[in-house]
Amino acid sequence: KQEVTQIPAALSVPEGENLVLNCSFTDSAIYNLQWFRQDPGKGLTSLLLIQSSQREQTSGRLNASLDKSSGRSTLYIAASQPGDSATYLCAVRSGNTPLVFGKGTRLSVIA
Amino acid sequence: DGGITQSPKYLFRKEGQNVTLSCEQNLNHDAMYWYRQDPGQGLRLIYYSQIVNDFQKGDIAEGYSVSREKKESFPLTVTSAQKNPTAFYLCASSISSGHSYNEQFFGPGTRLTVL
Repeated sequence: KQEVTQIPAALSVPEGENLVLNCSFTDSAIYNLQWFRQDPGKGLTSLLLIQSSQREQTSGRLNASLDKSSGRSTLYIAASQPGDSATYLCAVRSGNTPLVFGKGTRLSVIA
Repeated sequence: DGGITQSPKYLFRKEGQNVTLSCEQNLNHDAMYWYRQDPGQGLRLIYYSQIVNDFQKGDIAEGYSVSREKKESFPLTVTSAQKNPTAFYLCASSISSGHSYNEQFFGPGTRLTVL
């Protein structure tokens, strides 16, 4: 059974720092991996989707990488801002099954 | 304006009542999902549907029921059999489950509180 782990559970950084969020999964036979952002009391917003054949995806200050063989993905946030404060969730899809989610990393960017 | 809508935003239920949460999407997606989110527990899958008139149980289906009579609608009923229904409920949709480019999108959520 696929399991997804995100470390750390919480992270606090000063504004302007570059940071990396980690996601690991136990079964490397995945179709894709998706990163989401969730603000308190809100739904999830899709940030990036990496297909199994891809190594990375970029959107603005965000860059997500995927290493299927080692079961790892990272989300890199450049020049962090207070508006980046949120919970970031990683999820993987394996075949014709629903996404399996990690528990998220709660990020605080301090001005 | 395409997207997923959930209503109501807040819902209060008395003990022993059934309540129905609405989820509608105009993205022409085949697959729809219901999740429950509790503090510190992450997202847990309740039910999902990959096609009209068909649905499957997720990890925590007991005390819940769904229907999928139309492609754009996937209502969730929280029955009196659900002993601890107070939570944040999220609906999602995707093109279908079996493609690598399948991106999943979420609605804004419904917060259910038992009085």
